[in-house]
Amino acid sequence: QQQVKQSPQSLIVQKGGISIINCAYENTAFDYFPWYQQFPGKGPALLIAIRPDVSEKKEGRFTISFNKSAKQFSLHIMDSQPGDSATYFCAARGNTGTASKLTFGTGTRLQVTL
Amino acid sequence: EADIYQTPRYLVIGTGKKITLECSQTMGHDKMYWYQQDPGMELHLIHYSYGVNSTEKGDLSSESTVSRIRTEHFPLTLESARPSHTSQYLCASSEGLNQPQHFGDGTRLSIL
Repeated sequence: QQQVKQSPQSLIVQKGGISIINCAYENTAFDYFPWYQQFPGKGPALLIAIRPDVSEKKEGRFTISFNKSAKQFSLHIMDSQPGDSATYFCAARGNTGTASKLTFGTGTRLQVTL
Repeated sequence: EADIYQTPRYLVIGTGKKITLECSQTMGHDKMYWYQQDPGMELHLIHYSYGVNSTEKGDLSSESTVSRIRTEHFPLTLESARPSHTSQYLCASSEGLNQPQHFGDGTRLSIL
């Protein structure tokens, strides 16, 4: 059962446009929602993260919007650049005892064209 | 950038061999994790550790085993590799429960 659903699977955006990736979760016990960026041949790198007591968080061109009642959160990339072309994963953390476990979405392959 | 290292980066090996994937971090993090990721797909947690001599199974069942004898080292072992083990294996660590996970660049494993 997919606990974190991510869409779209792939996305093509023109340079300067806005990229939007959406995620939805089911487990109301999730308490931390990071986004990871992964380039080919590399491990995922933390991009930006949000906690459920905040509705929006912005870092540079990257913004997370969070809707707790709808159990949805999204990543917006403003002024998208070719260097942003990568796979993006949303994730949600559920604390179990002494370990912090992340559940990942299925990923979105973003391509930013010139 | 996080200092977490995985070796080898790529491994092609025959069926039945014993394999150990190495993961080391220099940040003194207590929490360490192993994920399995098929190309272009999501990450699945297969093992985690919250400190020395403590290991737990993750959400995805795996025939691999792990050990945590030292804080900085979290190797993953496959006793007898099979083609179904072909995948990418990613190691991660975090300072604590409420801290981000930092990933290595992974080992791409191919079993012939």
